[in-house]
Amino acid sequence: AQKITQTQPGMFVQEKEAVTLDCTYDTSDPSYGLFWYKQPSSGEMIFLIYQGSYDQQNATEGRYSLNFQKARKSANLVISASQLGDSAMYFCAIVKAAGNKLTFGGGTRVLVKP
Amino acid sequence: DGGITQSPKYLFRKEGQNVTLSCEQNLNHDAMYWYRQDPGQGLRLIYYSQIVNDFQKGDIAEGYSVSREKKESFPLTVTSAQKNPTAFYLCASSIPGTGLVAGELFFGEGSRLTVL
Repeated sequence: AQKITQTQPGMFVQEKEAVTLDCTYDTSDPSYGLFWYKQPSSGEMIFLIYQGSYDQQNATEGRYSLNFQKARKSANLVISASQLGDSAMYFCAIVKAAGNKLTFGGGTRVLVKP
Repeated sequence: DGGITQSPKYLFRKEGQNVTLSCEQNLNHDAMYWYRQDPGQGLRLIYYSQIVNDFQKGDIAEGYSVSREKKESFPLTVTSAQKNPTAFYLCASSIPGTGLVAGELFFGEGSRLTVL
C-alpha cells in the first residue's frame, strides 16, 4: 500500500515570499509518480506539478518547483514569489507505475498575507 | 471547451434516500474516478473505471454504487447503506501517462451532498 503524509496542517506566508510545503511518502513500488494539486475555496482540484521516480532532475512549472529527495522519500513543493491567489489547500499524491489510482495526503492550507 | 461536468453542485437529501451524482466528460479519457472529501481532509477513492462496462472498488466503496455504460459518463449512487454520506464528492478522469506512470487527473468542480 502507498501512503502520503503532509505534516503541516496550515501555514501563513507573506506575499512575494517563498513557501515550502512538506510531503513524505511510503511505497514499496520501485517506479511511481508524485503529484501536487491545488484546491481553492471553490473546490476544484488544479494540477500543479508532476515528478516521476526515475526523473533525474527536479520538476519545475513556473513558480512551482518540486524538491525531490528519493532516498528520504520526500517530495516538497516550493512556491516562489507567493501571490494572494495562492491561498488554498495543497495536496500531495502518489501513483504507482502503470496504475491509475492516486493516493492523496491530508493536505496543507496556505494563507498568503498581503 | 473540454472538461468534466458534475451535477448537481449542491444536493440535500433525507436519511434513507438514495441519490445519484452525475459526472460527464468530453475529454475522451478512458479512466474515470470518484473521490470523497470530508472537511479539512484529503481525497479518498470510492470507485474507479478504466474502461466502459468495467469498474473496481476503491478504498471506501461500501454504501456506494456506480455504472459505466458510456465512455463519457460515470454516475455515482450514494445509497441509504452509506452511514455518513455528507461530504464533497469529486469526479475525475485521466489520460494515459508518459513513461512508466499514469497521467494527471482532471477534476470536475464537485458535488456537495448534505444529508438532513
